[in-house]
Amino acid sequence: AQKVTQAQTEISVVEKEDVTLDCVYETRDTTYYLFWYKQPPSGELVFLIRRNSFDEQNEISGRYSWNFQKSTSSFNFTITASQVVDSAVYFCALSEGTQGGSEKLVFGKGTKLTVNP
Amino acid sequence: DGGITQSPKYLFRKEGQNVTLSCEQNLNHDAMYWYRQDPGQGLRLIYYSQIVNDFQKGDIAEGYSVSREKKESFPLTVTSAQKNPTAFYLCASSSDRGLANEKLFFGSGTQLSVL
Repeated sequence: AQKVTQAQTEISVVEKEDVTLDCVYETRDTTYYLFWYKQPPSGELVFLIRRNSFDEQNEISGRYSWNFQKSTSSFNFTITASQVVDSAVYFCALSEGTQGGSEKLVFGKGTKLTVNP
Repeated sequence: DGGITQSPKYLFRKEGQNVTLSCEQNLNHDAMYWYRQDPGQGLRLIYYSQIVNDFQKGDIAEGYSVSREKKESFPLTVTSAQKNPTAFYLCASSSDRGLANEKLFFGSGTQLSVL
């Protein structure tokens, strides 16, 4: 069965620090999709990135970057020069490509990031 | 603005009472989902619907019921059979009948508490 582990329950940093959120996944499928979502205090989850299992290129979007490594089954998320507005709960999620659709999406338990001024 | 609207934001249930959480989307999405979030936990799927007039149980459907009479609407009823209903409930949608690679769009959630 697919599984997503976010070992860091809570992280607290000071503004402008770099921070990496870890995500380790388990799947037997060769086709799968990995996601990161952000949940700010308002409650609504916001999509950040999607990566399929055949694309191991790292991605950078502004201060955000993602490191996908199939060899270690990890999909880590780094925020560079963190800001107070980055404070949120971040969820990593996995969807297996040949075992159904989005209804099979499995979420990690989330990492609560607090960025202090 | 297109999006998903959940109401109410806060809801209180008395013992033995059924309550209904509203979810409306104007994104013209086919698939809709209900998730339950407990403190420190990930999201767990309650029910989902990939098309109007059809819906399927998720991982924790017991004590809940849904309907999908219109594409835009997917209300969730928390019945008296759900003995531990206190949680944050999130509604989501996706555009292509819920393919595995589709990103989800979420509402802002409803916090349900028991009186």
